[in-house]
Amino acid sequence: QQQVKQSPQSLIVQKGGISIINCAYENTAFDYFPWYQQFPGKGPALLIAIRPDVSEKKEGRFTISFNKSAKQFSLHIMDSQPGDSATYFCAAHAGNMLTFGGGTRLMVKP
Amino acid sequence: ETGVTQSPTHLIKTRGQQVTLRCSSQSGHNTVSWYQQALGQGPQFIFQYYREEENGRGNFPPRFSGLQFPNYSSELNVNALELDDSALYLCASSLGGRGSEQFFGPGTRLTVL
Repeated sequence: QQQVKQSPQSLIVQKGGISIINCAYENTAFDYFPWYQQFPGKGPALLIAIRPDVSEKKEGRFTISFNKSAKQFSLHIMDSQPGDSATYFCAAHAGNMLTFGGGTRLMVKP
Repeated sequence: ETGVTQSPTHLIKTRGQQVTLRCSSQSGHNTVSWYQQALGQGPQFIFQYYREEENGRGNFPPRFSGLQFPNYSSELNVNALELDDSALYLCASSLGGRGSEQFFGPGTRLTVL
């Protein structure tokens, strides 16, 4: 099963708040889990990524939490800013392809 | 370091026509993957090229084909265009045939009328 399920579809957060986006997968062959940020009219930009032997990875305001036993991973954006307003995609890598979640449209209100 | 570039930016075609999209990989990368992103959805893997050979294919019909050139640039060709082919076509480059860290270009917006 290659699906990656992402939630919520949309998210509204106040400036300074924490944005949390969740993803779940079934395929245990996935070996790399990136998050991408996409602005309208642009290609996805790699934000942060994690491998399944690590439970958490932090880069600046962005943190990935990974639960291998539950087959779930999440993106936390701390101190969310209006400039973070974009669509976020989780993805999972196996073989030579990335399988993407359906996306979360994040709006950060000033 | 040069990022991934794609051309053209936008393209309008009619049903039944053929289209060629182009991609130049990021400097130092030898692998190119193509994805289709329909409006409001996540990208879907079409295929990957590594060392000028197709190195994996998603659930897309044979009318989607590609090429990779010795300089690692790539083309995506779509024959017999259908209305549902309207989408943003994304190229991603990576290093190595199983490269997991993929960097995307800005995409080509294809509209089929």
